[in-house]
Amino acid sequence: KAGVTQTPRYLIKTRGQQVTLSCSPISGHRSVSWYQQTPGQGLQFLFEYFSETQRNKGNFPGRFSGRQFSNSRSEMNVSTLELGDSALYLCASSTGLAGGFKTQYFGPGTRLLVL
Amino acid sequence: AQSVTQPDIHITVSEGASLELRCNYSYGATPYLFWYVQSPGQGLQLLLKYFSGDTLVQGIKGFEAEFKRSQSSFNLRKPSVHWSDAAEYFCAVGVFIIQGAQKLVFGQGTRLTINP
Repeated sequence: KAGVTQTPRYLIKTRGQQVTLSCSPISGHRSVSWYQQTPGQGLQFLFEYFSETQRNKGNFPGRFSGRQFSNSRSEMNVSTLELGDSALYLCASSTGLAGGFKTQYFGPGTRLLVL
Repeated sequence: AQSVTQPDIHITVSEGASLELRCNYSYGATPYLFWYVQSPGQGLQLLLKYFSGDTLVQGIKGFEAEFKRSQSSFNLRKPSVHWSDAAEYFCAVGVFIIQGAQKLVFGQGTRLTINP
């Protein structure tokens, strides 16, 4: 079974621009979560989508948004980029089904550099 | 609030030596605990997890971890490390929010260096 895929792997943007990152979960998985990883703050939860609905959101400004499509693929968007948005953005998928915590499997990440 | 503490930011061991990485968590309910490994420039790979049952869990690449509820700990161990084990290791606790929503709360990570 193929793993979680993320595109693009690397991205360079300038301040004020916006960016869209994509994540395709493991086949059959319906939950997609996004995390931001920076040297200073570590790994922080952004949001979780399940069946095209955001059901959980971390403590990030409204510039960070996401969506999920009917095939469970997800995108996250960051508008009006700031230098501090430079990070590795990781996507994780799980079955998302009820009944206990569902293990999350991570993709390789998208490295975003904001200049 | 839920939190995970990895007291050691950086550990160096010699190849063939034993390894123990420490992890302490704070969570009000029965914890779901994970160890992930990250090689440079890569995503996170699941090493092992604890949900319930036997407190000693086995994972991939020869790793094991022991859950100790009395100490709120979930330490990762390996009897003999290989140069390929050099990476960053993250301990995490799974947290339920509402209506089935969940997230992982991570420790700050421990960077492992292997001396030849």
